[in-house]
Formats: sequence, structure tokens, C-alpha cells
Amino acid sequence: SQQGEEDPQALSIQEGENATMNCSYKTSINNLQWYRQNSGRGLVHLILIRSNEREKHSGRLRVTLDTSKKSSSLLITASRAADTASYFCAGSGNTPLVFGKGTRLSVIA
Amino acid sequence: DAGVIQSPRHEVTEMGQEVTLRCKPISGHDYLFWYRQTMMRGLELLIYFNNNVPIDDSGMPEDRFSAKMPNASFSTLKIQPSEPRDSAVYFCASSFTDNQPQHFGDGTRLSIL
Repeated sequence: SQQGEEDPQALSIQEGENATMNCSYKTSINNLQWYRQNSGRGLVHLILIRSNEREKHSGRLRVTLDTSKKSSSLLITASRAADTASYFCAGSGNTPLVFGKGTRLSVIA
Repeated sequence: DAGVIQSPRHEVTEMGQEVTLRCKPISGHDYLFWYRQTMMRGLELLIYFNNNVPIDDSGMPEDRFSAKMPNASFSTLKIQPSEPRDSAVYFCASSFTDNQPQHFGDGTRLSIL
């Protein structure tokens, strides 16, 4: 399926450090999307990377995509306490997005 | 521009009662999705619509669940009768196409006693 599976399940870092989360999927995709969910809120779209792109940047976010390995990574640089949230990936192809269970990121001030 | 609006934000009711969740998508979005989120199962897609027509309802857990989209600006998810295992957060999302980013509402936290 195009379901994203995030790794690790939980990550705890100090403010100012970088956070890296990984995502794997099983079938071909048109694009891969990353979302953030703050406690008690809905998911918010962060960044979309197309299948013909290898890397994309948006502010402190850097996303890579390796279609040969069916994997993606999300790097958040210089993390802040406000980055504390759950992060989800989902591939988009022939069917709508299927989300994994996410990576829970805790940034400690 | 207003985002996806869901109501109510919280619902507590006794098992056996009918529950109706409501969603107003972003104007101009052709796709509407209903999800359920629990700690055990994560975020599950229940059903989605394209131009008000249900496309895939294979995620709807049982016949007790039904969803409608009578027009482009309104959708409902109904559970009748409700059971304690239906307790979860239910999200509605909308998008221009099924490949484009989805915009989520803040969900309805449902508790069935």
C-alpha cells in the first residue's frame, strides 16, 4: 500500500538539536507528503515532494526521497519547543493518502 | 479564508444513541475525507467523496456507520447505534484533488459511555 510507516515511534531531543524522522512505503507514488499534528488539533500539511524530486527545503525543514528504497526522511534543523508534535508521512498514488502512526517528537527546552 | 470546520468539537453520549458529526469543507475543494484516530489504530480513512459522490467507503467499520454529502459545503458522519468502541477522534479533511495536500479540521472527540 502507499501507507507511510514512520520511524522512530518517538524521539526526544534538546532544543537547538536537529531531528530526523524516517518514512517507508510499499508501492509506487506520485508524491509523498509530511504532516504535523499538535496535541488536540488536526493534521497540518508541511511539505510535498514529488516522485521525480530527490530533496526539498522549506524553512528549517529538509525532506529527501529515495524512490528506489521507497523511503523518505524529514529533517528539522535547530529544533524549538514549538516543534513538539507528532509527524506523519503519507504517499499519494492511485489511491488517497494512507497515514502511518507517526513519530512523536518532544523538544525539551 | 476559513479552514475545514467540524462540529461539535466534543460529544459525550451513552451507548445506543445516535451520533451525528458535521463537516464544512473548504470552498472549492472537490474531495472530502472522513478519518478516525485512535491510539491503537492510528489514523484510519473511513470514506471519501469526490464532487459529493462517495468514492470509497471500504474503511467504514460497520453498517452502523453512514456518511452523506448532500452538497459541496456540507457532510455528515452518522453512527447509529453508537457503541463504546466507537470512542475516538473523528477528523474531516478536504483537498482540491486526491493527490494534493489535505486540509484537516480540528476534529470531534467522541466518547461513548
